[in-house]
Amino acid sequence: NAGVTQTPKFQVLKTGQSMTLQCAQDMNHNSMYWYRQDPGMGLRLIYYSASEGTTDKGEVPNGYNVSRLNKREFSLRLESAAPSQTSVYFCASRVGQGFEKLFFGSGTQLSVL
Amino acid sequence: RKEVEQDPGPFNVPEGATVAFNCTYSNSASQSFFWYRQDCRKEPKLLMSVYSSGNEDGRFTAQLNRASQYISLLIRDSKLSDSATYLCVVNRGSSASKIIFGSGTRLSIRP
Repeated sequence: NAGVTQTPKFQVLKTGQSMTLQCAQDMNHNSMYWYRQDPGMGLRLIYYSASEGTTDKGEVPNGYNVSRLNKREFSLRLESAAPSQTSVYFCASRVGQGFEKLFFGSGTQLSVL
Repeated sequence: RKEVEQDPGPFNVPEGATVAFNCTYSNSASQSFFWYRQDCRKEPKLLMSVYSSGNEDGRFTAQLNRASQYISLLIRDSKLSDSATYLCVVNRGSSASKIIFGSGTRLSIRP
């Protein structure tokens, strides 16, 4: 009954450090997403993968890279973290057609000092 | 300008009141529309999809006006448990895969 699993739940980085946020789903979904949410704001799309083997930029891709490792896994990498990347990060997935909903992970609280 | 815009609120209304939220989207290629609810920075959860003919789910009614690129959500007989942030969501792109969220409207219901 796992759904979408994100790791880690919390992370503190120093400016310039790198890290990878991991996301895995066990629902055989085609599409996966990474969002960030800053205080008082909605979710902003960083990158998405409509299907295995494809990735596309979202609204705020600068400073991030992604890898769709296989159908289950979609990772988000910060190569050189900056304080502006302090945020809550959500991974989500869906089957990949029309009206069906997004399934979200529980989020990663990232602080960059 | 954000692709999906909402009034941020907050809306502070008494229990039992009717409240309406609006949302506009700028990309006419948008294909499907949703309202999500988010509590206290937890993950968002789907409230309802929005269909062209309008649709209702209990106390909640959603409307879509494609000509004006406008979506609305009406909550009747509001409950304390309706206090949350309501996010307008739009799908576009090939296979409607690019999913964009509005900034959200905060609703607080007072006893």
